[in-house]
Amino acid sequence: GNSVTQMEGPVTLSEEAFLTINCTYTATGYPSLFWYVQYPGEGLQLLLKATKADDKGSNKGFEATYRKETTSFHLEKGSVQVSDSAVYFCALSLAGGGYQKVTFGTGTKLQVIP
Amino acid sequence: DVKVTQSSRYLVKRTGEKVFLECVQDMDHENMFWYRQDPGLGLRLIYFSYDVKMKEKGDIPEGYSVSREKKERFSLILESASTNQTSMYLCASSSYRASGYTFGSGTRLTVV
Repeated sequence: GNSVTQMEGPVTLSEEAFLTINCTYTATGYPSLFWYVQYPGEGLQLLLKATKADDKGSNKGFEATYRKETTSFHLEKGSVQVSDSAVYFCALSLAGGGYQKVTFGTGTKLQVIP
Repeated sequence: DVKVTQSSRYLVKRTGEKVFLECVQDMDHENMFWYRQDPGLGLRLIYFSYDVKMKEKGDIPEGYSVSREKKERFSLILESASTNQTSMYLCASSSYRASGYTFGSGTRLTVV
């Protein structure tokens, strides 16, 4: 079956530190890959996505590259801010039967301290 | 701005009550989903619908049912609420032509 594995948190960083959150996946077929972010008390928001191998998704200073050879989609940011404190979910999507079914990782909590 | 709207942010219900959670989307999306989110367990799919009046069980459908009478509205029903259904419930929608979901803000349900 399809699955997403992400590093366990929480991850605690000082402001302006470099962020990496690891994500690897297992899928039958050719999935699209996503990072979602969930701020406290809110639903999930799409942060970035990549739909094919070697694509780079980027948004708000975050980046992730679709690596088919290592089945990975690691999230990076060069300089985190306190406002980036949230839970980050890696996910994959495969089409079939007229709908897109998304498989989520368990989430990684990021805490950025001033 | 496109939206998925969940009718309540917080709900408190008693054990045995029938509970309705409503979700409305304004994007003309074909697909709609209900998840529950619990600490340490991530997001778990309860039910989804890929078209009006169509529904499919997800990974944890027991104790729940759904209704989709109109394209824009997807309701989750707890037939007889129990304390183990205390959770954050998230609704999402998507188009089958494009990947990725749009989520609502969530409903935090407490069953006492």
